[in-house]
Amino acid sequence: DQQVKQNSPSLSVQEGRISILNCDYTNSMFDYFLWYKKYPAEGPTFLISISSIKDKNEDGRFTVFLNKSAKHLSLHIVPSQPGDSAVYFCAGNSGGSNYKLTFGKGTLLTVNP
Amino acid sequence: EPEVTQTPSHQVTQMGQEVILRCVPISNHLYFYWYRQILGQKVEFLVSFYNNEISEKSEIFDDQFSVERPDGSNFTLKIRSTKLEDSAMYFCAGTRDSLNYGYTFGSGTRLTVV
Repeated sequence: DQQVKQNSPSLSVQEGRISILNCDYTNSMFDYFLWYKKYPAEGPTFLISISSIKDKNEDGRFTVFLNKSAKHLSLHIVPSQPGDSAVYFCAGNSGGSNYKLTFGKGTLLTVNP
Repeated sequence: EPEVTQTPSHQVTQMGQEVILRCVPISNHLYFYWYRQILGQKVEFLVSFYNNEISEKSEIFDDQFSVERPDGSNFTLKIRSTKLEDSAMYFCAGTRDSLNYGYTFGSGTRLTVV
């Protein structure tokens, strides 16, 4: 039961260009979404989040867009840097009191110098 | 910056043996979690823990699994009789009271069942 889908297992981008990572979800109860970044041998690190009452949230080089009608969100990184090379996970939360997250499979981003 | 500490970083165990994975959460966190990631798969929810009891568990978290926070500090995941399919990275995570800044995850324990 894949409630959160990241259909691109990998993405390769040139340094300085925009990276766009996509995520689709099926659970209509999700009302909060998060992006995490993960380097090898480390735990996931929180990157940026968005509430379902918004359609955009920006933090420095990172912007998350949410299209509720399409059940789609995307993470834009601009400009991309080699240090951004990592696995990016999209996650959804359906409210409730325990803040449980449902993750996608992740997209491996490689930023080439 | 506060960290979630997990030990050991790598554990190899024989099938059928018991393992205990340990986590020291951030002191002011209130909600605690175990997630796991089988190689190449998504990060999967196992269990959430709040106010010294399990608040939710997944289908994966069967009778072979248990969690404890015995001394108000350490948060442990026990697998009573390990199976080959339990081989995965196990992540401990916590948050104080919201998702505004997400969870803080530990670096994980790689469990290999042979």
